[in-house]
Amino acid sequence: GAGVSQSPSNKVTEKGKDVELRCDPISGHTALYWYRQSLGQGLEFLIYFQGNSAPDKSGLPSDRFSAERTGGSVSTLTIQRTQQEDSAVYLCASSYYLSSYEQYFGPGTRLTVT
Amino acid sequence: AQTVTQSQPEMSVQEAETVTLSCTYDTSENNYYLFWYKQPPSRQMILVIRQEAYKQQNATENRFSVNFQKAAKSFSLKISDSQLGDTAMYFCAFMGLTGANSKLTFGKGITLSVRP
Repeated sequence: GAGVSQSPSNKVTEKGKDVELRCDPISGHTALYWYRQSLGQGLEFLIYFQGNSAPDKSGLPSDRFSAERTGGSVSTLTIQRTQQEDSAVYLCASSYYLSSYEQYFGPGTRLTVT
Repeated sequence: AQTVTQSQPEMSVQEAETVTLSCTYDTSENNYYLFWYKQPPSRQMILVIRQEAYKQQNATENRFSVNFQKAAKSFSLKISDSQLGDTAMYFCAFMGLTGANSKLTFGKGITLSVRP
């Protein structure tokens, strides 16, 4: 079956612009996670969804970051007024349910802010 | 909060030989999962092996096995008969079982190079 997909694969944007990153989880997976991978910070957790609900937004690095999930499926991570330190690979993962032991990862979106 | 430490930034091994990647973690939880993920240059994170903390028996998956020492909070990965395709970054990760702790907490990773 289809795995987790993310789009775009690569995104180059100018500092100050807004960007939207999309994640399509595996069909039937109720839990969805966003992670960020950068040279300085390694792999860090950003936010998770159970269904359409995100109970804990404390992992988001600033209020420029927001995420939503609609219909229990597709999720969008939005970064407003991008900064150079936002440059990273953004990874999405999904699992059957929260605390399911296996998270399936997408190929990531490489964001470069110039 | 949980922490995962991988102190070796990189390692190299000859093809067909055995290599061990180290990982330690810290948590106050009693039940949790531990994982090793592989990330080749394609960026795709691939689950290599997982260990449930309540199981005393070490997990094995073909050429991959772990040495899980719960009291010492240590979780090392042994790769036997190394292959060129094993060249990748390897991440050790922790996951709790309840609510917000179900996120993965990763170590900084280790770059493994397999030499022909």
